[in-house]
Amino acid sequence: DTAVSQTPKYLVTQMGNDKSIKCEQNLGHDTMYWYKQDSKKFLKIMFSYNNKELIINETVPNRFSPKSPDKAHLNLHINSLELGDSAVYFCASSPGQGGFETQYFGPGTRLLVL
Amino acid sequence: ILNVEQSPQSLHVQEGDSTNFTCSFPSSNFYALHWYRWETAKSPEALFVMTLNGDEKKKGRISATLNTKEGYSYLYIKGSQPEDSATYLCAPKRGTSGSRLTFGEGTQLTVNP
Repeated sequence: DTAVSQTPKYLVTQMGNDKSIKCEQNLGHDTMYWYKQDSKKFLKIMFSYNNKELIINETVPNRFSPKSPDKAHLNLHINSLELGDSAVYFCASSPGQGGFETQYFGPGTRLLVL
Repeated sequence: ILNVEQSPQSLHVQEGDSTNFTCSFPSSNFYALHWYRWETAKSPEALFVMTLNGDEKKKGRISATLNTKEGYSYLYIKGSQPEDSATYLCAPKRGTSGSRLTFGEGTQLTVNP
């Protein structure tokens, strides 16, 4: 009955590879997000989609491409992985994009690029 | 990008102590402030969403206050328990187009039994 799920939980890969992280929410929410937890433990927004439409696109290398096939899914594809991409990536969802809407986070995907 | 500051960065207290920490943020164009609790190896969980100046929210032994005019919020924990050990994040949001939650670095609380 997991509300926001991510796969895989752990991802170890070589530099230069292309990988995807999947996110699914069963809460019926309209808005989904990708965050990166950086080396200083900050949670930084990368992307946000509302009803499959991109609404937030932070300054992120264009090697990162989100895809939302439907409003319950937001996947993150990363091309040509670099060492600096190693981090924990969190998916989240909220009922809508209003500022008072609580965000529900997934368990995180720990990416290690060797 | 909002400048969000949380203090202290970390805090060690004894079981039974009451404690509090601060979140500071720019007061202009304020819209909402979120508090999250983040236990190690888990994902952040929402505690409160606060919108009005003078707001006070309470959940069990945890409460929070909000001052939007001066740009700060306090989180209080009464009678801390070891299970309160976690990082407490605040995230303000501005009322401007395209705005998003900006998370602070958090206050890492450790409650010793």
